[in-house]
Amino acid sequence: AQSVAQPEDQVNVAEGNPLTVKCTYSVSGNPYLFWYVQYPNRGLQFLLKYITGDNLVKGSYGFEAEFNKSQTSFHLKKPSALVSDSALYFCAVRDMGNTPLVFGKGTRLSVIA
Amino acid sequence: DTEVTQTPKHLVMGMTNKKSLKCEQHMGHRAMYWYKQKAKKPPELMFVYSYEKLSINESVPSRFSPECPNSSLLNLHLHALQPEDSALYLCASSPRTGDSNQPQHFGDGTRLSIL
Repeated sequence: AQSVAQPEDQVNVAEGNPLTVKCTYSVSGNPYLFWYVQYPNRGLQFLLKYITGDNLVKGSYGFEAEFNKSQTSFHLKKPSALVSDSALYFCAVRDMGNTPLVFGKGTRLSVIA
Repeated sequence: DTEVTQTPKHLVMGMTNKKSLKCEQHMGHRAMYWYKQKAKKPPELMFVYSYEKLSINESVPSRFSPECPNSSLLNLHLHALQPEDSALYLCASSPRTGDSNQPQHFGDGTRLSIL
């Protein structure tokens, strides 16, 4: 069965600094990996996905993620954080076929001005 | 703006009431999902519909009754809920359940409070 781990409950970063939100995964086959962001009182918004190909995936709002097969990681990154990036971030994984989307526990990102 | 629309945004109901949550999408997606989300926790899958047929029920209590009247609409009928059912209920859609490489699109949810 697939699983996702987000080891940090909270990440704090100063505005303008680079940010990283960590995610590791476990699947039996090739993974389909996703990052979602949730702002207060909103649903989940899709940021980016890894299917196959380039290990650096670019997504919405200047976010990108680096896929590392040997470390089974898919860390979310942004070169320069904004206060408006403060939100709850979820990593998610699906295996091939008709399998459910499995979410990590979430990481709260706080960007301080 | 989200492409999945959920109504109402907020709902307060007593334990003996009957109410329904509604979800609508016009992206031509044939897979639709209900999730329950508690504060600061990830969404928990409740039901999956594929081509208007229920394909997954994650052992959800019968006081929650889903319905998919057509390919654009998804309802969740509520009856005799318990206080622990208070949560944010999210609807999502995707092109097809078997398309693992496609993201799910979420609505903004209905925040449900049980008195």
